[in-house]
Amino acid sequence: NAGVTQTPKFQVLKTGQSMTLQCAQDMNHEYMSWYRQDPGMGLRLIHYSVGAGITDQGEVPNGYNVSRSTTEDFPLRLLSAAPSQTSVYFCASSSRAGSGQPQHFGDGTRLSIL
Amino acid sequence: AQTVTQSQPEMSVQEAETVTLSCTYDTSESDYYLFWYKQPPSRQMILVIRQEAYKQQNATENRFSVNFQKAAKSFSLKISDSQLGDAAMYFCAYRSGAGGGADGLTFGKGTHLIIQP
Repeated sequence: NAGVTQTPKFQVLKTGQSMTLQCAQDMNHEYMSWYRQDPGMGLRLIHYSVGAGITDQGEVPNGYNVSRSTTEDFPLRLLSAAPSQTSVYFCASSSRAGSGQPQHFGDGTRLSIL
Repeated sequence: AQTVTQSQPEMSVQEAETVTLSCTYDTSESDYYLFWYKQPPSRQMILVIRQEAYKQQNATENRFSVNFQKAAKSFSLKISDSQLGDAAMYFCAYRSGAGGGADGLTFGKGTHLIIQP
């Protein structure tokens, strides 16, 4: 099973550029989410989705946009990259919110903004 | 909002010995779940163990076990017979239960575990 697949694994951007981080899962999970991980900190929630067509903000949503047109895909868009968005980004999914089922994580995308 | 605190930025243990990683959390909810995740240098987030708040029995997974003290809001991880492959960052995480949980996991800042050969 592929599980949660993130692409790309590494990316370097210039300030002001836009890009989309891709996330796909093949487990038919309703719940998907994006986190960022900064040095010395745990993961922090950016955006999440409880099903196709439904998204909401997490703890640190500014500068990011998401959409959920299918159950499988949950892309994260950086509209105008800033150095403060240099981080490692993780996508995760679970069967549904509130079920207590553990979240399955992708391998992460290391993003550097110059 | 819930908070998760890991008070030990770094721990070191000799191979084959036992080590305990601490985690405390703050919540007003009664229905929730607690997790320990391992993050080796490969960056993957690997689930180690899960605990349901409504269960009094402590969860165990092979060499990994937890000491869940609900009243004290404490959730420590014990690793027995430590192995070199256990070296990693360990994150404690909280998730709301039924009626919540849509806002994902709340993580602590992590404990870096070093295994001395």
